[in-house]
Amino acid sequence: GENVEQHPSTLSVQEGDSAVIKCTYSDSASNYFPWYKQELGKRPQLIIDIRSNVGEKKDQRIAVTLNKTAKHFSLHITETQPEDSAVYFCAANTNQAGTALIFGKGTTLSVSS
Amino acid sequence: DSGVTQTPKHLITATGQRVTLRCSPRSGDLSVYWYQQSLDQGLQFLIQYYNGEERAKGNILERFSAQQFPDLHSELNLSSLELGDSALYFCASSVGTGVYGYTFGSGTRLTVV
Repeated sequence: GENVEQHPSTLSVQEGDSAVIKCTYSDSASNYFPWYKQELGKRPQLIIDIRSNVGEKKDQRIAVTLNKTAKHFSLHITETQPEDSAVYFCAANTNQAGTALIFGKGTTLSVSS
Repeated sequence: DSGVTQTPKHLITATGQRVTLRCSPRSGDLSVYWYQQSLDQGLQFLIQYYNGEERAKGNILERFSAQQFPDLHSELNLSSLELGDSALYFCASSVGTGVYGYTFGSGTRLTVV
């Protein structure tokens, strides 16, 4: 079936460094790619999203890039802070799942001060 | 508070039993999506309802079923429970049939003993 692959599964950085998380998707009809942040014991929360007619989107320290030809998209966090520590999920919509989002398996980001 | 309400927050039950999880979507949202989150599988899409009708199915087991009522709340029924069904169950809602503005509830933690 359609899926979303996410790498790496864990990422450790020093405070102030940048972090990059990458995802690939298989459904060429996918046109919406959100990123969610999930803190321990809490619900996933949308932090940024991108649609297929846009190549890059920024929101303060967070940016997402999309390469539709290669079917991959990435999350970039600059100047990381300890409060960025969480699990990050990428997702994509797929025709096979109706209008539901299919999620990657998540990246656990640890930012040490 | 996301506006998506899930009850109960925690549930402990024995193998072989049946449980019902409840989700009330955000006011104005017509779509409800159910997800299962276990440690090694990330967020697995189970099923989507839109305005009372089943819209899409994901990796939902035959022992699981769901419905959406006229007041738009949804229930996920899990029967013949097994130890492996222990997980966090999230519902999400969105306004229409699209995935934009997907908002998650706080989840129900199910423990099967």
